[in-house]
Amino acid sequence: DTAVSQTPKYLVTQMGNDKSIKCEQNLGHDTMYWYKQDSKKFLKIMFSYNNKELIINETVPNRFSPKSPDKAHLNLHINSLELGDSAVYFCASSQDLTGPLHFGNGTRLTVT
Amino acid sequence: QKEVEQNSGPLSVPEGAIASLNCTYSDRGSQSFFWYRQYSGKSPELIMSIYSNGDKEDGRFTAQLNKASQYVSLLIRDSQPSDSATYLCAVVNYGGSQGNLIFGKGTKLSVKP
Repeated sequence: DTAVSQTPKYLVTQMGNDKSIKCEQNLGHDTMYWYKQDSKKFLKIMFSYNNKELIINETVPNRFSPKSPDKAHLNLHINSLELGDSAVYFCASSQDLTGPLHFGNGTRLTVT
Repeated sequence: QKEVEQNSGPLSVPEGAIASLNCTYSDRGSQSFFWYRQYSGKSPELIMSIYSNGDKEDGRFTAQLNKASQYVSLLIRDSQPSDSATYLCAVVNYGGSQGNLIFGKGTKLSVKP
């Protein structure tokens, strides 16, 4: 059983489109995250949710909107996609805010 | 601005040698420290966690923490080609319920047969 699963694995789309990435964890964790890994492999936190409540919202354009319908799910919706949004997006979860994180397999987003 | 610094490498070691990976962090209040391994095209995988000063050993891996120097390291003994990957140091300060795991940029390790 996959602990943290995210879909789709690959996403290729054109500038200006809106897309969503879904994430689910079956570990019973309270905290879920979205991280962005750029072409230089730097992992940067975007959002974290604890018990469905937004805890961290780093300097991310408001075109990015996370949604957590329950503790096991954290989805990411992106409006008006731009070329600079191309990256790998990782969902992760942890028991609580102290870590450690368990990562999903990533979604490689390519905006053309 | 809280920062985690690592040498980007690549660090190249011969098979069977000890690989030493280093990390410094700026937030003196940091409380939890992790090492992740990331193979190319894969997701980060937790290999070590350490919370108190000193050494922690797990198989061929040893994590070392020195909070006074704000320094954490990972030693890999008897390095194998399969250890070739990028190693990410991560640090969290969970004071004020604002836990935020901050990653360094990673050190690329290459183990030559």
